[in-house]
Amino acid sequence: NAGVTQTPKFQVLKTGQSMTLQCAQDMNHEYMSWYRQDPGMGLRLIHYSVGAGITDQGEVPNGYNVSRSTTEDFPLRLLSAAPSQTSVYFCASSKAPTNEKLFFGSGTQLSVL
Amino acid sequence: AQSVAQPEDQVNVAEGNPLTVKCTYSVSGNPYLFWYVQYPNRGLQFLLKYITGDNLVKGSYGFEAEFNKSQTSFHLKKPSALVSDSALYFCAVRDERGSYIPTFGRGTSLIVHP
Repeated sequence: NAGVTQTPKFQVLKTGQSMTLQCAQDMNHEYMSWYRQDPGMGLRLIHYSVGAGITDQGEVPNGYNVSRSTTEDFPLRLLSAAPSQTSVYFCASSKAPTNEKLFFGSGTQLSVL
Repeated sequence: AQSVAQPEDQVNVAEGNPLTVKCTYSVSGNPYLFWYVQYPNRGLQFLLKYITGDNLVKGSYGFEAEFNKSQTSFHLKKPSALVSDSALYFCAVRDERGSYIPTFGRGTSLIVHP
């Protein structure tokens, strides 16, 4: 049972480049979400999804897109990378939106030069 | 609106001593409270939660947390710290009446000295 899998683990981008952070879970979880973690700021929610075909914005959605075509996958797209998007990104899922236990991936460390 | 505060950026404790990591919250209705732990270069792992019932909640790795409604606190505790407990700890809250999305605190770095 792999849980929540994120790829890549590390990525360096140049300003203006685009890329997709991958997230997959094999637990048949309805709820999936993306967070960014910055020093002294804790975790901030970027986007979330309560099921296939349904997505919504979190606290800091600007500069990011998401889609949920399947239950398993929830990719995060950076449209035009900026240095302010340098961060560690975590994907998290839970069985249902109101289920209280989140399962986190191991993170993607992104640097934008 | 819901919010959570972790007043200490870092907590230092000697191995074998009891530890406390503090968390206070603010919600309109009843709180759902959680603790997560993050080891270096890893994602967060669920430790324990309070939904309702007994104010003392027991979780993984010997940790427990005490819910105090009058002080709006949910401090994480362990009777005897281990060096391997050194990690980043996050408190999170969700308002029973509000969004199902939890709000996370900024995190507290726990350092246990041998």
